[in-house]
Formats: sequence, C-alpha cells, structure tokens
Amino acid sequence: QSVLTQPPSMSAAPGQKVTISCSGSSSNIGNNAVSWYQQLPGTAPKLLIYENNKRPSGIPDRFSGSKSDTSATLGIAGLQTGDEADYYCGTWDTSLSAVVFGGGTKVTVL
Amino acid sequence: EVQLVQSGAEVKKPGESLTISCKGSGYSFSNYWIGWVRQMPGKGLEWMGIIYFGDSETRYSPSFQGQVTISADKSISTAFLHWSSLKASDTAIYYCVRHDPDYRGWCFDLWGRGTLVTVSS
Repeated sequence: QSVLTQPPSMSAAPGQKVTISCSGSSSNIGNNAVSWYQQLPGTAPKLLIYENNKRPSGIPDRFSGSKSDTSATLGIAGLQTGDEADYYCGTWDTSLSAVVFGGGTKVTVL
Repeated sequence: EVQLVQSGAEVKKPGESLTISCKGSGYSFSNYWIGWVRQMPGKGLEWMGIIYFGDSETRYSPSFQGQVTISADKSISTAFLHWSSLKASDTAIYYCVRHDPDYRGWCFDLWGRGTLVTVSS
C-alpha cells in the first residue's frame, strides 16, 4: 500500500485530456513539493514536473501540474499514443523521513 | 552528455553479497545527491536512500535501513549500493537517481538506465 494514492489506470482518446490525481496527507503533499515522473514501457522513469508545477527543459507544455492542500494533479493535454506510460507522483514525507511515491497510474490511449 | 551510467545486470544466489555502481558524467558530481530507487517486477517505485557527494551525508528510507549500504567515491564520481546477504525478494531493477539541492523538495532530475538484479537459487 503506497503512502500516496493514485488511480491504477486511466484512458482517453487521442487529443483528449487526462487528469491524474495523487492524494496524500499533511505529512507529505500538504507540506512538501510534489514531482511527477513518466515511465515509458521498458525504460527508466523521467522527471516531468517538479516543485508542483514546473517543467524541466524539453518537457512539452501539454504536461501540467498543480497542488491543493494534500492532493496533487498531473494533466496531460492533447493526448498522443507516445504518452502511453506509467505515471508516478512523489514527494518527501516528514513523518517517515523518506521520499514516497504513489503506486503509479497506467495511461492508455484508446 | 549529462548522464548516470550504471553497472550491468547481476545474477546471484541467496546469501551472496553484491555491490552495484552508478557513475556520473557531464556535470559536477560534488554538488548533487545521488540516490537509489527500487522497482520490483511489475511494481512501482520505492526510494531506498541517498548520499550527498559534497560531505557523504547519507539518508536511508526506514524500509531499507540496515538492509543495504549506500556509499560513494568522489574521486571517480561513482555511487554504490551494497548488499551483504541477498534474498530472493531483492530481485528488482535498481535505478540510481540525481537530486539537485537547488530544487525545492526532493525530486530526481536524472535517472540511470537501471541495473537488473536477479537473486535465485
């Protein structure tokens, strides 16, 4: 059972938008910055979003992040077949003194 | 090119020891933290621990404290993950990751390609 809760799977048609939620508590998301990672099949994860809503260079603006209270959200607009991947949220948990990840959300493009 | 280069796949027996490595290149190693993330077959990401190259400060996840040892050799820009006695449940892909302390919060902006460790009798 992961400390951060994500839906196991989501799907949408090409061009549509998906919104992935990441729910936590005051000991993690509520008081720490959230990051998001994309893991394409058979590859290492890649940083998509850091500090809740910032994109590293090279990440298209179709990807967006937000945070409110103890939840965070990753949005993927204009969905493409190449976006089929597992997506993970992560943050620091003050109570555990550890980085924690969500269980991951598998995004399927219909 | 900025990258983390990990050592190759390993096949070990239960009870054996193992050290895998992660070498950074293309950036100033001393200014960053290097950590390890486990991914068991078909499962999600688990943070194991991290070391700061500047002063070798090391932090472990409570779940992995005492189970592994993280170390680093600044002279060769390489971090290590060591097991003294492997178990079958250690079978996983292990990723080394980089954390930039200038980022607010803990995030990993650079990932190695992963080292597959298989432990089987």
